[in-house]
Amino acid sequence: GAGVSQSPSNKVTEKGKDVELRCDPISGHTALYWYRQSLGQGLEFLIYFQGNSAPDKSGLPSDRFSAERTGGSVSTLTIQRTQQEDSAVYLCASSLGGKTDTQYFGPGTRLTVL
Amino acid sequence: GENVEQHPSTLSVQEGDSAVIKCTYSDSASNYFPWYKQELGKRPQLIIDIRSNVGEKKDQRIAVTLNKTAKHFSLHITETQPEDSAVYFCALRAAGNKLTFGGGTRVLVKP
Repeated sequence: GAGVSQSPSNKVTEKGKDVELRCDPISGHTALYWYRQSLGQGLEFLIYFQGNSAPDKSGLPSDRFSAERTGGSVSTLTIQRTQQEDSAVYLCASSLGGKTDTQYFGPGTRLTVL
Repeated sequence: GENVEQHPSTLSVQEGDSAVIKCTYSDSASNYFPWYKQELGKRPQLIIDIRSNVGEKKDQRIAVTLNKTAKHFSLHITETQPEDSAVYFCALRAAGNKLTFGGGTRVLVKP
C-alpha cells in the first residue's frame, strides 16, 4: 500500500515568513511523529500524536513551532517567523501505535530559510 | 532526556569485511532498539530491531546484539557490499513512544 507522504518536497522561504508542512500517514496508523534532521546530523524528535490523546510536544524547539493532526490522519507542522537555523529536512513517520511498532518514515520536506 | 552515543561517526571498510557500530545509552527503562539505514537523499528505513527481552537477533548479513546490563547495543554487518554504503542510525525508545536517535555512522564500503 501507499507509504507515508509529505508535501512539499522542497520549500524555500524568506526569513520571517510562516511555513506549513504536510504529512499523510499510512492508512490505519494511529501514531504520527515529526522529526527534524539538520545537514549531516541525526534525527531530532519534535512532536508525537497518538490517537485522540494530547500530543507529546516535548521536542518542539520554540513556541514558533506548532503541529496539528486533524481527524486522526493528516498532520500539519507550522513554523512561524522562520529563522535561518530552521533550515533542515523535516521528516514525518507513522506507526500502528504500539510501543514497539515500526515507525515508517516519509521522504521529508527540505526547508531552506534564506 | 535520554541520550544515545553512537560510534564511530564514520567507518570505511573493504568489500567483504565486517562492519560494527556501537551505541550506548543511560536510561535502563529503554526497551526497544531499532536500527535505520539512510541512503543519500532518501528516507530512513528500518533494517533490524531488537526488544529488551532478547540478547541477539540476526537477519541474513545483519545482526544486532543488546547488553542491557552494560547499556549498549551494536549493529554487525558481515560480508559487506558496496550497496551497504549509507548512514546508519541507532535509536531507542524509553518512556513514551518517541524514538531517540544516535548521531549516525557514515559507512563506506570500498570495492
